[in-house]
Formats: sequence, structure tokens, C-alpha cells
Amino acid sequence: GAVVSQHPSWVICKSGTSVKIECRSLDFQATTMFWYRQFPKQSLMLMATSNEGSKATYEQGVEKDKFLINHASLTLSTLTVTSAHPEDSSFYICSAREYQGARTEAFFGQGTRLTVV
Amino acid sequence: QQQVKQSPQSLIVQKGGISIINCAYENTAFDYFPWYQQFPGKGPALLIAIRPDVSEKKEGRFTISFNKSAKQFSLHIMDSQPGDSATYFCAASKAQAGTALIFGKGTTLSVSS
Repeated sequence: GAVVSQHPSWVICKSGTSVKIECRSLDFQATTMFWYRQFPKQSLMLMATSNEGSKATYEQGVEKDKFLINHASLTLSTLTVTSAHPEDSSFYICSAREYQGARTEAFFGQGTRLTVV
Repeated sequence: QQQVKQSPQSLIVQKGGISIINCAYENTAFDYFPWYQQFPGKGPALLIAIRPDVSEKKEGRFTISFNKSAKQFSLHIMDSQPGDSATYFCAASKAQAGTALIFGKGTTLSVSS
């Protein structure tokens, strides 16, 4: 299957600082990427849809000024958690869909564990 | 309209047994139904996916059964192994590349040896 790479795998930051997470589609182009958040023992919750060359679309309740998304190229989307606080600690996962014939399979990165201290 | 309901929440199966996880969806516009396997600290890995034009798809020990009229689909893991112990998520969406997946709440599978 296609490869979606996420970096870093884990990060610890101090409260009030910003953290950037990168998501790359390694062997296909993705005009759209998705950012999810997952709390322990819970499901994935969609945060935002990242669109190449245009503004991201945020889900209800997600603060766009706190979670800045930039999709500057067809293979890279970044999520920046600004002024991070302990409640932002979570597992962040990106996803992209690849065309395979008439279908589009959805692949996920390995996730980023963010801990804010 | 956007919900995907998954059951059971947890499942314990003997080695060699069959694991069955069920999902139901509400939005009739959905036409892509994947299953993902997730190990702790890792991102979800695509196991198998089905479109509504077929009622069953098999890949190795994994089979999806799909019932369009009931708006239900299920994952069967044959000959379950301890290495299959993980959390499994069903999801649904439209098949277009710009559409996000809606996930079920997940099933934690434990295969005892």
C-alpha cells in the first residue's frame, strides 16, 4: 500500500510553546490530507481537512487559531499546535487517500505522540 | 447521519478461533468501507476494504461481509492468532479522495494462546 510518513513520532514540549508536525505522502500526490486526534483507548476524531493551496476546513469545536494547518505542496501537510497546553497532549495522526483504479484507499501516518508539560 | 456504530467494544478469542466484529452505518451515500488494525502507539494500518457492489471480500484470513440493505458490514478473522491482538476500527465514507473517513469506536481484540 501507499506510504504516509509522519514526523516526529513523539515530542515533549513546554506549556506555551508551539510544535510542528509534518505529514508526507511518499509515493503519491495528495491534494487533500486529513488530521485526526486520538485520546487513549478512544477512536480517531477528525480535526481538519487539509487542502493543497487553500485554507483547511476545520471540524466543529476545533480551534483554527490553535491548530494551524499548512498544505504547501501535493506531498506535504503540516499541523502546528500553537501555545500548547497540557490538555493538547494527545496522539495526532494524519491521513491521505490514494487513487487505486476506481477506488481511493485511505492510508495513515504512524502518528505523533505530543506531551505538553 | 454521520455515525458508524461498532460492536463489541472488546473481544476475547481462543487461538485458532474466529473473531467477528460488526459495524452499522447510517448514511446511504457512503460507498467505501475499510477496516483498520491499530497497535498501541502506532497509526492505523489498512487491513481490507469493500465497496457496496459486492457482498463479500476475502484477503488471507480476513473477510469483510457487507449487507447493503441492512447497512451493516462485518470483519471476520479466521484462525485468530495472538499476533492479531490489537484494536480494530471500522470506517465509512464516500469513495472520493477528498472525503474523510468516519470511524467506529473500535474493538479491542485479545487472542489467548
